[in-house]
Amino acid sequence: AQSVTQLDSHVSVSEGTPVLLRCNYSSSYSPSLFWYVQHPNKGLQLLLKYTSAATLVKGINGFEAEFKKSETSFHLTKPSAHMSDAAEYFCVVIPYSSASKIIFGSGTRLSIRP
Amino acid sequence: DAGVIQSPRHEVTEMGQEVTLRCKPISGHNSLFWYRQTMMRGLELLIYFNNNVPIDDSGMPEDRFSAKMPNASFSTLKIQPSEPRDSAVYFCASPHSTGELFFGEGSRLTVL
Repeated sequence: AQSVTQLDSHVSVSEGTPVLLRCNYSSSYSPSLFWYVQHPNKGLQLLLKYTSAATLVKGINGFEAEFKKSETSFHLTKPSAHMSDAAEYFCVVIPYSSASKIIFGSGTRLSIRP
Repeated sequence: DAGVIQSPRHEVTEMGQEVTLRCKPISGHNSLFWYRQTMMRGLELLIYFNNNVPIDDSGMPEDRFSAKMPNASFSTLKIQPSEPRDSAVYFCASPHSTGELFFGEGSRLTVL
């Protein structure tokens, strides 16, 4: 069965320090993996996606994620947090050839301390 | 492109009333999803359309919920009669062929 687990429901970091949001997935075949961000009262917006071209994926706003097949992980990182990064982040899996079976993680709320 | 457009952005209604939420997907996208988001349950898939045809409606909570997509540029989600437990943010999303989902800004429904 396909699944995605976001290991932290809430992460708090100081402005200017690194961000790490963790995501593990379970998929029988090579999945497509995404990170989305949701700011308050907004819809979800794509941050980055992995589709087997390169294991290190760069996204918008300085975020990147590394696909590690051996660890079934797709953690999201950013070297230096900014106040505007405060939002909810969702890790998303689309199993191979099942575009309708999109699986959302439960979300990680990122807070930034001044 | 204006992106996915949803209306209304906010709706407050009383229990028992009919609610209709509307979505205009991105032109050229052949599929459409309706999601519901609550604090307790997170994001839940309600229904998935492909080429205007409902493919998967297993997430529709009960008969009070119905969704239609009469053409490629318009979809509705209707709740009749509405109940307080239907209070949530309802999102419409249309996927690009690359798999990226484009979300609308959501319709926040409050049923009193």
